Amino acid sequence: KQEVTQIPAALSVPEGENLVLNCSFTDSAIYNLQWFRQDPGKGLTSLLLIQSSQREQTSGRLNASLDKSSGRSTLYIAASQPGDSATYLCSITGGFKTIFGAGTRLFVKA
Amino acid sequence: ETGVTQSPTHLIKTRGQQVTLRCSSQSGHNTVSWYQQALGQGPQFIFQYYREEENGRGNFPPRFSGLQFPNYSSELNVNALELDDSALYLCASSPVRQKNTGELFFGEGSRLTVL
Repeated sequence: KQEVTQIPAALSVPEGENLVLNCSFTDSAIYNLQWFRQDPGKGLTSLLLIQSSQREQTSGRLNASLDKSSGRSTLYIAASQPGDSATYLCSITGGFKTIFGAGTRLFVKA
Repeated sequence: ETGVTQSPTHLIKTRGQQVTLRCSSQSGHNTVSWYQQALGQGPQFIFQYYREEENGRGNFPPRFSGLQFPNYSSELNVNALELDDSALYLCASSPVRQKNTGELFFGEGSRLTVL
C-alpha cells in the first residue's frame, strides 16, 4: 500500500531564503510524481510533473527531483517570496490511483 | 483553453440527504478523477473514470458513485450523507496518453457542509 509523507508539516522562512520541501513514498512502482500548490480554500495548481523515467524537472525558481530507489522527492524553491506562501502537496500516481501527502504549509515573511 | 470547472462551489445539506457534484473536464482530456479533502489534510482519492468507465477506486463506500459522460464531463453522487462527508470535493482531469502518466489539472472544488 502506497503511503506518502511530507516533511516538514509547516515552515516559516524570511523572504529571499532558499528552501527545500520533502516528500517520501513507500512503493517505488510509480507512474509519476507531481507537486502542487494550494491556497486556502482553493483548488490545486500544478507546479511540476516528474515521470517515472525522469530524475528532475525545473520551472522558474522551482526544481523538483525524484529518486525512486530511495522513495524520495524534493521541491527546491529559490529566493522565496511572500507570494509563495501556500500549502505544497506532492502526489504519487501508480496502479490507477493517486495518493497525496498531507502537505507542507509554507509562510514566507516579508 | 477552458480549464476544469466544478459546480456548485458551495452547498449545505443535512444528514441522510443526497448530493450531486458536477465537473467539466479541460478540453481534450479524457480522464477524470475525484478527491475528498478534509480540512488540514491532503486530498483522498475517491475514483477515476476513463472513457465513461470507472477504472480505479479508493477506500470509499458504495454510497459514493460517479458517472462520466461522452463529452468527458463527470458527476459525483453521494447518498445518505453523513457529517464526516463535510469536505472540499475536487475534480481533476488528465490528458492520458499512456496509463496514468498524464498531468492532473484540478478545478476549484465544491465545498460541501453536512449539518
